[in-house]
Amino acid sequence: EAQVTQNPRYLITVTGKKLTVTCSQNMNHEYMSWYRQDPGLGLRQIYYSMNVEVTDKGDVPEGYKVSRKEKRNFPLILESPSPNQTSLYFCASSLYRTEGRNEAFFGQGTRLTVV
Amino acid sequence: DAKTTQPPSMDCAEGRAANLPCNHSTISGNEYVYWYRQIHSQGPQYIIHGLKNNETNEMASLIITEDRKSSTLILPHATLRDTAVYYCIVRESGNQFYFGTGTSLTVIP
Repeated sequence: EAQVTQNPRYLITVTGKKLTVTCSQNMNHEYMSWYRQDPGLGLRQIYYSMNVEVTDKGDVPEGYKVSRKEKRNFPLILESPSPNQTSLYFCASSLYRTEGRNEAFFGQGTRLTVV
Repeated sequence: DAKTTQPPSMDCAEGRAANLPCNHSTISGNEYVYWYRQIHSQGPQYIIHGLKNNETNEMASLIITEDRKSSTLILPHATLRDTAVYYCIVRESGNQFYFGTGTSLTVIP
């Protein structure tokens, strides 16, 4: 089954304690991205990657890091989490295509609380 | 920056057609219009997309105006399970999706 898998689904952590949210896709997609969703603000893109070893900032990259060492994995790293990073996070993947159908597939989300 | 404008909320009676509008007045010639929906706090789900012509699939229909500056998503017979937030997205080259705040559709029994 084609899917994007995020882990963990729920996480409560303390300020400053480094954490990683994993994302893996089994569709051989080139393009992967991370979003955060906050009430009243919709989904905002954090980082994206167009292929292995190619990453770029989205709209709200501050406080986050990513890596793309393998095509299937795109972890989101919070080196020193702060309470304003409490949010619902989504990973997405799609083919890298500028024409034609190209829907993004989303993971089920990670609800992060930083206290 | 958001490239689409949608009403924040709409209601629809169960069994009736739900028509969700979207304005994308700055769309360029090679940009597609995509629609996604998000039920509760699940991951967004693809519904339909189009470039110029109207499109229909098993979930919905998409009507795009001739000047491409607006579109309407039609759910022909809304059910309670269609209650969700619906996002209209214009896709840039390079695969970036810009989500706005969407339209919260409530289907009323």
